[in-house]
Order: sequence, then structure tokens, then C-alpha cells
Amino acid sequence: EVQLLESGGGLAQPGGSLRLSCAASGFIFSNYVIIWVRQAPGKGLEWVSGISGSGGVTYYADSVKGRFTISRDNSKNTLFLQMTSLRVEDTAVYYCARQEAGYDSSTYYSYYYLDVWGKGTTVTVSS
Amino acid sequence: SSELTQDPAVSVALGQTVRITCQGDSLRSYYASWSQQKPGQAPILVIYGKNNRPSGIPDRFSGSSSGNTASLTITGAQAEDEADYYCNSRDSSYNHVIFGGGTKLTVL
Repeated sequence: EVQLLESGGGLAQPGGSLRLSCAASGFIFSNYVIIWVRQAPGKGLEWVSGISGSGGVTYYADSVKGRFTISRDNSKNTLFLQMTSLRVEDTAVYYCARQEAGYDSSTYYSYYYLDVWGKGTTVTVSS
Repeated sequence: SSELTQDPAVSVALGQTVRITCQGDSLRSYYASWSQQKPGQAPILVIYGKNNRPSGIPDRFSGSSSGNTASLTITGAQAEDEADYYCNSRDSSYNHVIFGGGTKLTVL
């Protein structure tokens, strides 16, 4: 079964750090871009960060750039998100998701989609 | 970066058809995909690409696109379709996903 499972969430103080993990199973992990998406309480989905299959290319939302670091260990089928200088506004459920891409040759449109999601891990930043 | 706009809330009578829309400049070049999220659960993919459904998604869900607008249509809405629906696409300037603000669907 194709699966992603997050862990590492918890309570942190403002200015503190947490490290999230996302364990993958059921597919060739290194073949896929994997991203982090978060959802603040009562709010919508927000893309946080993404990493290429090899780990050589990383992307960050402006809201976390310079504070969060995404990485992966393909030998262990695991994705990480190191979060530092945490802020109250980082409080959210954090999901990892597998990103796929496609192309329609009849319309020249391409597309990204998120076909596998983890169940999420909750991060609370509070004093 | 790009933005995607969705109506915050939509309602539909049981068994009727409802269309949920998503607008944004990136949709002129990239198809949207749609995810369904029920309370306390992770999102699941329901439509991707031009109009593709993952295995296990009922065929009452369909997608379409025109200009800067993508639509998710539920034909014959069921009580279990009550959920939040999010569109997403690729940012037209940067190589990452962007999300719409979500639409809360109520089935009456």
C-alpha cells in the first residue's frame, strides 16, 4: 500500500525548534517530489516546501524561507522538515504529500497534483 | 506568485448537481487538480489533469477548464460529499504548487 506517515509534531515555544519526519512506503521514494503542506486551525491549505527526488533542489514559501529546511534520506525513504525560529503563526497541522506531474499533448497544458497524503502531524507554537 | 480564488461556501440539495469554481491566471497554462477534505481528515485527490479521477473516486465527480477558470462538478450530490474542496495548480512563475482558499460544500 502506498503510504506517507508524518511524525515529530508537538508543542514548541516561540523561537524554538522542531523536526518533522515523513516515512514513505509502497513506492519508489526517490522517484518523486515530496512536499510539505500545512493547515492552520480553521484555515485552508498552504504549501510550505518541496524537494526533488534526488534532494538536490529545494523550494520554500516566503513565510518559512530562512527558518525551515527540507531534506530527505532516500536510503531510509524518509522526508524531513527542520523548523527553527518558530512563530505562533507556524501553528498548524503539517502534511507531507507526494507530487506528481503530467502533460496533455492535445492542449499543451501541464499539471501538478498531490496523489498521496499523510495523515498529518500537529505543531503548536505557544508560550 | 500566482493566486487561486474559490467561493468560500456553496450548498446543494441532495441529488442535485453543483459546480465549484476556481479562478486564477495560472489556470490559463496549467490544469487544476481538486482535493476533498472532511473534518479531521487529510485531503484526498478527487480530480486531476484535464478530467481524471483516481481509482475509487465516484464518477459523479468531474472536472473542466475554460480560460482562467477551473470547475469541479458533482452530478447527483450525496450526503457524503459534504466537505471542503480545494483546487490547486502550479504557480505560473515558480515551480511549486499553489492552493485556492477552499470551498465548503453543504449538502442540504
